[in-house]
Amino acid sequence: DAGVIQSPRHEVTEMGQEVTLRCKPISGHNSLFWYRQTMMRGLELLIYFNNNVPIDDSGMPEDRFSAKMPNASFSTLKIQPSEPRDSAVYFCASSRGAGGRETQYFGPGTRLLVL
Amino acid sequence: GIQVEQSPPDLILQEGANSTLRCNFSDSVNNLQWFHQNPWGQLINLFYIPSGTKQNGRLSATTVATERYSLLYISSSQTTDSGVYFCAASTQGGSEKLVFGKGMKLTVNP
Repeated sequence: DAGVIQSPRHEVTEMGQEVTLRCKPISGHNSLFWYRQTMMRGLELLIYFNNNVPIDDSGMPEDRFSAKMPNASFSTLKIQPSEPRDSAVYFCASSRGAGGRETQYFGPGTRLLVL
Repeated sequence: GIQVEQSPPDLILQEGANSTLRCNFSDSVNNLQWFHQNPWGQLINLFYIPSGTKQNGRLSATTVATERYSLLYISSSQTTDSGVYFCAASTQGGSEKLVFGKGMKLTVNP
């Protein structure tokens, strides 16, 4: 298996622009997670889906952030409008089964810089 | 929510030395995982270990759920072991989301 695939790997944008991050989970995995990593806050869960349904979005920082999972093999995390404080590495992870009770496999991350 | 604390925060070793990383958590867990983030940023799952002991080559991990801690052992360390090690846990009856510790930076010198 190719593992979790994320795109783009790097994104540089200007404040106010829309940013869309993409993730393809491992085939057969039922749960998908979006994390954000910064020096100040470490690794934080933003949202997770089980069977394409959002289960916990309490980590989504504000209304500028939205996530969708239209099918079992694709998810997007969108930031509109972006701000410099959104600069971080965004990871997508997937696991078999429900929620956090299974091993999670991480993608390579998207390094986002908002100028 | 659950608190996850790791110690020590940083560690420098000479190649060949052994080390023990500790993770304390504040609540009963149904999931405890150890991850290694390499210098290129990739997060690799090392162990899924909510209880008991597991071994994988030079690495092993033990979780004592009743005492709310987990240990990661690295034996005969190599320079490729350098990076940041994270412990993450989720609670029984909680939202099942993993909460990560702040990580422990390991540097193995040749």
